[in-house]
Amino acid sequence: GQQLNQSPQSMFIQEGEDVSMNCTSSSIFNTWLWYKQDPGEGPVLLIALYKAGELTSNGRLTAQFGITRKDSFLNISASIPSDVGIYFCAGHRSGNTGKLIFGQGTTLQVKP
Amino acid sequence: GAGVSQSPSNKVTEKGKDVELRCDPISGHTALYWYRQSLGQGLEFLIYFQGNSAPDKSGLPSDRFSAERTGGSVSTLTIQRTQQEDSAVYLCASSFRRRGGEQYFGPGTRLTVT
Repeated sequence: GQQLNQSPQSMFIQEGEDVSMNCTSSSIFNTWLWYKQDPGEGPVLLIALYKAGELTSNGRLTAQFGITRKDSFLNISASIPSDVGIYFCAGHRSGNTGKLIFGQGTTLQVKP
Repeated sequence: GAGVSQSPSNKVTEKGKDVELRCDPISGHTALYWYRQSLGQGLEFLIYFQGNSAPDKSGLPSDRFSAERTGGSVSTLTIQRTQQEDSAVYLCASSFRRRGGEQYFGPGTRLTVT
């Protein structure tokens, strides 16, 4: 099935560094979302974006909905050890179907 | 309030047996979704229920997979004659209809077919 192109696949950074990851698609989405998944748990919603160009923050997280509606990025500032996990982007289209299309995930490791 | 709950958390079954996975959505959420996550992969959509509408079954990989939602709340995903390739984490999510993109996930059921 269709998937989003998410990059990078993995990142290993030093505590305190900023992180950036992005997601692209060949199709337009009405909503972009970013989730974080810890081992053995379900994904947790971090940020939802509803308008092209929208920039939204949630604490140290900032995400943007691309102007073309085909991409989004997530930034994490001043990373801390508990930021470790897998980050997924997801796209949603309005209409009858409610499914999310997910990226392959970015695995983040933070070195104290 | 309580989040999405799923049971069992882990299930080991023999190839060829049937399994049932349960999902209790967040109270008041009208939409319910099932996804499958294979090791190291993103989530793959399986099926979507919205109120009394016919479910969107477009993601079910074969006719061995089925799901129902009783009383607009609890859902059961059934896999018949399980195969080794069915081994994965099965995740359930729920949402309010108007915010369909904002889906809240349960912890998942890890299914292992031996």
